[in-house]
Amino acid sequence: GAVVSQHPSWVICKSGTSVKIECRSLDFQATTMFWYRQFPKQSLMLMATSNEGSKATYEQGVEKDKFLINHASLTLSTLTVTSAHPEDSSFYICSARGGQGTYEQYFGPGTRLTVT
Amino acid sequence: GEDVEQSLFLSVREGDSSVINCTYTDSSSTYLYWYKQEPGAGLQLLTYIFSNMDMKQDQRLTVLLNKKDKHLSLRIADTQTGDSAIYFCAEKRANSGYALNFGKGTSLLVTP
Repeated sequence: GAVVSQHPSWVICKSGTSVKIECRSLDFQATTMFWYRQFPKQSLMLMATSNEGSKATYEQGVEKDKFLINHASLTLSTLTVTSAHPEDSSFYICSARGGQGTYEQYFGPGTRLTVT
Repeated sequence: GEDVEQSLFLSVREGDSSVINCTYTDSSSTYLYWYKQEPGAGLQLLTYIFSNMDMKQDQRLTVLLNKKDKHLSLRIADTQTGDSAIYFCAEKRANSGYALNFGKGTSLLVTP
């Protein structure tokens, strides 16, 4: 099956700093990538949808100036958490979908962010 | 994600069949998915079903869809201890590209 990687898998940062998370589709071109957030024992909540070369579409309640998403190529999307605060601590998961006619959506292994 | 409902826990004995149930509310959902998540890991796509299908079988996995009742189930035959994980039901969101609405997940525990 298709493989999606995320880097880093785990990061600790200090409050007020920014951290960048990368999401890569390793063996297919991802026309669309999604960023989700998962709290412990909770479901995944969609944060934003990004299409290659376009601005990301953010879900209601998600601050686009805080969670910067870039999808500059068909295999890479990045999520930058700016001015991180402890309440931003969470498990961030990306997913990627191939081109038209593909219904499978493949998820990365997730990034655990802890803000101290 | 609140539109997709799942029971939170299921415990079965090794070798038995497991059935995980899910209800969704968006009748226009065209694709429904089952994902597996092991501790500390991402989601693994197990299978998906189109809304015009009633059943889909893939090795030990059988998905049943009752579109009238908006009910989806995942049956795992001959459940093994390695099947212990959280199973998420998800529906393709209407009018939102291919973003998914997830249930809260069913934690499956397989005991020897």
